[in-house]
Amino acid sequence: EVQLAESGGGLVQPGRSLRLSCTASGFTFVDYAMTWVRQAPGKGLEWVGFIRSTAYGGTAEYAASVKDRFTISRDDSKSIAYLQMNSLKTEDTAVYYCSRNPSGFFPDVGVYWGPGTLVTVSS
Amino acid sequence: QSVLTQPPSASGTPGQRVSISCSGSSSNIGSNTVNWFQQLPGTAPKLLIYGTQNQRPSGVPDRFSGSKSGTSASLAISGLQSEDEADYYCAAWDDSLNSYVFGTGTQVSV
Repeated sequence: EVQLAESGGGLVQPGRSLRLSCTASGFTFVDYAMTWVRQAPGKGLEWVGFIRSTAYGGTAEYAASVKDRFTISRDDSKSIAYLQMNSLKTEDTAVYYCSRNPSGFFPDVGVYWGPGTLVTVSS
Repeated sequence: QSVLTQPPSASGTPGQRVSISCSGSSSNIGSNTVNWFQQLPGTAPKLLIYGTQNQRPSGVPDRFSGSKSGTSASLAISGLQSEDEADYYCAAWDDSLNSYVFGTGTQVSV
């Protein structure tokens, strides 16, 4: 059974950093791209970015709103995808979800999602 | 604000058919596949429709169907049930923004 679990959320001050983890199980992690999506309280879904599988270079793409502040990486040996968030702003407050893409290359959000982790940016 | 526009709300009575529109442009819906997601309160989104043939993942009832024409897409829910009360989002890759974009979301009431 495919399972995804986000962790690392919490309360952080503006300007500080936080790293989220997405621990995967039940599938061959190395074969798939992974995506991060967020949802601010009471708002809609926002794509944050995704990372291709290592076979396709492990390169990442980002939304304009987080580019140059957020970095997505992966550790295939541990089946974990990371979201490093720097220079956090109050508007980054959201529930952050990770999702497994249908393939290793395309930026398409798929069937499998984690339950999400809440990040609150506040002084 | 999102580049994919949906009506904020839609409603129907049990058994009725409800349709949700998603308006985009040539750089997103016009050139890429459209996915539809359902989100129940307090839960992660669930993929309802995907792919060029508007397929449904295993377990999604055939009451849900998707279509696309030009730069617009639609999700139809037939035989509306109380458990269909949720928020629905369209989504697609945008070639101009080099970004995956979600629609503004539609809240469906039964």
